[in-house]
Amino acid sequence: SQTIHQWPATLVQPVGSPLSLECTVEGTSNPNLYWYRQAAGRGLQLLFYSVGIGQISSEVPQNLSASRPQDRQFILSSKKLLLSDSGFYLCAWSRQGASSGANVLTFGAGSRLTVL
Amino acid sequence: AQSVTQLDSHVSVSEGTPVLLRCNYSSSYSPSLFWYVQHPNKGLQLLLKYTSAATLVKGINGFEAEFKKSETSFHLTKPSAHMSDAAEYFCVVPRGGSTLGRLYFGRGTQLTVWP
Repeated sequence: SQTIHQWPATLVQPVGSPLSLECTVEGTSNPNLYWYRQAAGRGLQLLFYSVGIGQISSEVPQNLSASRPQDRQFILSSKKLLLSDSGFYLCAWSRQGASSGANVLTFGAGSRLTVL
Repeated sequence: AQSVTQLDSHVSVSEGTPVLLRCNYSSSYSPSLFWYVQHPNKGLQLLLKYTSAATLVKGINGFEAEFKKSETSFHLTKPSAHMSDAAEYFCVVPRGGSTLGRLYFGRGTQLTVWP
């Protein structure tokens, strides 16, 4: 069966510090990978998605970046955090291909980031 | 563009009574639609999905939803609420008919279940 892991689960960082959130998927190959953010009062927003190693698409302009160094690894980063980067970050995966299963997401448990 | 509107930000019910969480969609064609559930400080879990095969969709934990094209609705229901159903529920539609997980999430409905 497939599993998705995110870490760290919680993080408190000062403004201006760097960020690295990591996500790995097990039990599948060539997944589509996603980073969503859930901020208070703003719902869930897609930040990045990737359909393959080194292929990153950004959905919204922001202070964050993403990388996919391996097939089942997805990393969310920032060089200098802003207060507005606080939120609950969710990694997710879906199957490749044009079937309806490709837009069915399985989410990780999330990483809660507080920027002070 | 595809979007969804969840009509209630909060719903409170007593244990054992029916649950109704309302969602209207906007789409230029018959979309795929999903309901996800999120328990406190957890990731999201897929409850059910509609992909045009059948208008009444059954999901996990006794939930079901009916796609009504004439009303552009996809309301989530459960005959009898359980305490463990207390969570936030999201109605979701793929953006632009995407076959990727580029999803548009509704603002969520917080379900409270009273004993």
